Amino acid sequence: DAGITQSPRYKITETGRQVTLMCHQTWSHSYMFWYRQDLGHGLRLIYYSAAADITDKGEVPDGYVVSRSKTENFPLTLESATRSQTSVYFCASSEPGGADTQYFGPGTRLTVL
Amino acid sequence: GENVEQHPSTLSVQEGDSAVIKCTYSDSASNYFPWYKQELGKRPQLIIDIRSNVGEKKDQRIAVTLNKTAKHFSLHITETQPEDSAVYFCAASIRSGAGSYQLTFGKGTKLSVIP
Repeated sequence: DAGITQSPRYKITETGRQVTLMCHQTWSHSYMFWYRQDLGHGLRLIYYSAAADITDKGEVPDGYVVSRSKTENFPLTLESATRSQTSVYFCASSEPGGADTQYFGPGTRLTVL
Repeated sequence: GENVEQHPSTLSVQEGDSAVIKCTYSDSASNYFPWYKQELGKRPQLIIDIRSNVGEKKDQRIAVTLNKTAKHFSLHITETQPEDSAVYFCAASIRSGAGSYQLTFGKGTKLSVIP
């Protein structure tokens, strides 16, 4: 579990500001994912990445931007934060062809005022 | 896309009793079904998973069953203990063209084990 980290762990921002959530993994997993967790909705996929420079949309991508210039990092940016983006954000990684288990980071609790 | 329904949303059992959580999925092509446990304030962690070529899998007090025809799968926890109290999520996915699984999660079941 210590192999995937997120920062910051807690963030308070204001509507309209840009916010970037960081995710870093040390396993060299090919796949990385961003989820948001909201009460009553479970975990919903925002974006995922199959490898460096390859990203694709998930279920709820609107308002978010991702990049993956290095295998170990997968930052998530809210270009203009809205109150509806208040949530807990989890990053995950997996290595296809093996156990396919997705390992989750500790999460970032984001509050947009 | 895939849709996963999970029931019940809350479940209370006495310590030592069994707990059963059920999920249904919509896409018959789904072939991987993991279960995650999330304790309060913590990250989701995989507790057991099953693939579509297997009907049942056990790991100590935890078991998962899969009925592909009915498109449902269940988590069974026997001899429940207070430390089993958590939110449990089921998920279903299809291996994507690039090789990994993209998961669709159920909305979760909050299990409370009463001492």
